[in-house]
Amino acid sequence: AQTVTQSQPEMSVQEAETVTLSCTYDTSESDYYLFWYKQPPSRQMILVIRQEAYKQQNATENRFSVNFQKAAKSFSLKISDSQLGDAAMYFCAYRGHNNNDMRFGAGTRLTVKP
Amino acid sequence: DAGVIQSPRHEVTEMGQEVTLRCKPISGHNSLFWYRQTMMRGLELLIYFNNNVPIDDSGMPEDRFSAKMPNASFSTLKIQPSEPRDSAVYFCASRWRLGTDTQYFGPGTRLTVL
Repeated sequence: AQTVTQSQPEMSVQEAETVTLSCTYDTSESDYYLFWYKQPPSRQMILVIRQEAYKQQNATENRFSVNFQKAAKSFSLKISDSQLGDAAMYFCAYRGHNNNDMRFGAGTRLTVKP
Repeated sequence: DAGVIQSPRHEVTEMGQEVTLRCKPISGHNSLFWYRQTMMRGLELLIYFNNNVPIDDSGMPEDRFSAKMPNASFSTLKIQPSEPRDSAVYFCASRWRLGTDTQYFGPGTRLTVL
């Protein structure tokens, strides 16, 4: 079974600085999707960024980028120029290409200090 | 697009009562998912539908839980009878088609069973 591990229960970053959230996963599949979701205090699950495993280029969405290392099964999220609104729980998630069961990590709580 | 709509946003009930959670997926999406989020277990997939048909309900914890999708724009998750350990945030999510694309989550329903 696929598992997703987020080894950092909590992280903090100074406003305007850069922070990296870690995620590793375990799978025997070759084709899959990886996601980062943000959950602010409102509880809404908001898609931050996604990566298709067959793409070698790392996904980027404005201040958010990933470092996808397929061989190492690592999928970290980098937030540049952190803003107070970035404070939230961040969940890493995995889904196989032909699978519909999305596996979530335990989450990392990010605090942004002014 | 209004996104995935869930109601109610908050539900407080007493043990033994029936609880019905509702979800309206994004128009045009044909896959719908129900998740439960707790501190102890994180995000768990309960059941998902494709084209209104339940595909996998292996995550449904007990017979007290049931889900229906009578049409493409509406789904319910029912708990009868409810128990205090059912207290959690329940999310509904939808996706364009099975096996591809991204899940979009609703705002969640916070259920408290006294």
